Amino acid sequence: GAVVSQHPSRVICKSGTSVKIECRSLDFQATTMFWYRQFPKKSLMLMATSNEGSKATYEQGVEKDKFLINHASLTLSTLTVTSAHPEDSSFYICSARDGLGASGELFFGEGSRLTVL
Amino acid sequence: RKEVEQDPGPFNVPEGATVAFNCTYSNSASQSFFWYRQDCRKEPKLLMSVYSSGNEDGRFTAQLNRASQYISLLIRDSKLSDSATYLCVVLGGGADGLTFGKGTHLIIQP
Repeated sequence: GAVVSQHPSRVICKSGTSVKIECRSLDFQATTMFWYRQFPKKSLMLMATSNEGSKATYEQGVEKDKFLINHASLTLSTLTVTSAHPEDSSFYICSARDGLGASGELFFGEGSRLTVL
Repeated sequence: RKEVEQDPGPFNVPEGATVAFNCTYSNSASQSFFWYRQDCRKEPKLLMSVYSSGNEDGRFTAQLNRASQYISLLIRDSKLSDSATYLCVVLGGGADGLTFGKGTHLIIQP
């Protein structure tokens, strides 16, 4: 089946630094990928929709200058948490749909656990 | 009212028992429903889709009740490896096409 790979799986950084997380679709092309954040014991919250070759679409309340998304190719989207602070510590997950439309199965990356000290 | 609601649990169940939990959804126009399983510190993985006629996959049975707007998941002969968080997911309501519940935490005890 389709595979979505995310890297790094775990990162610890100092407050004020920036962290980049990569999301790759390994055996299919994804014109659209999605980025989520999940706090402990909370549901996945969609942060933004990453569109290949165009700007990302952010959900309400998500700072686009804080969470930079780049989708330069059909198999790679990156999320950069800029000037990270402890409150940005969370589990970040990407997903991509294999197939057109909303009915294709959504595949998730393995997630990236960010800890900001 | 939240769009997708689940009892967060935890449900503590002895190994071999049968456990069931429900999920309610608010959008009566919702057409597709799923159960995802998420292990601790891992990504969600699709467990099964929920069809109008209900569906069964081994020890797992999913049911849809449109009149009352809920879906259910039944796990028979539970195994220790069934311990996880089970996410109720409804198609629609978001850019990604999905609305997630917060999940029900299941702990199977030996």
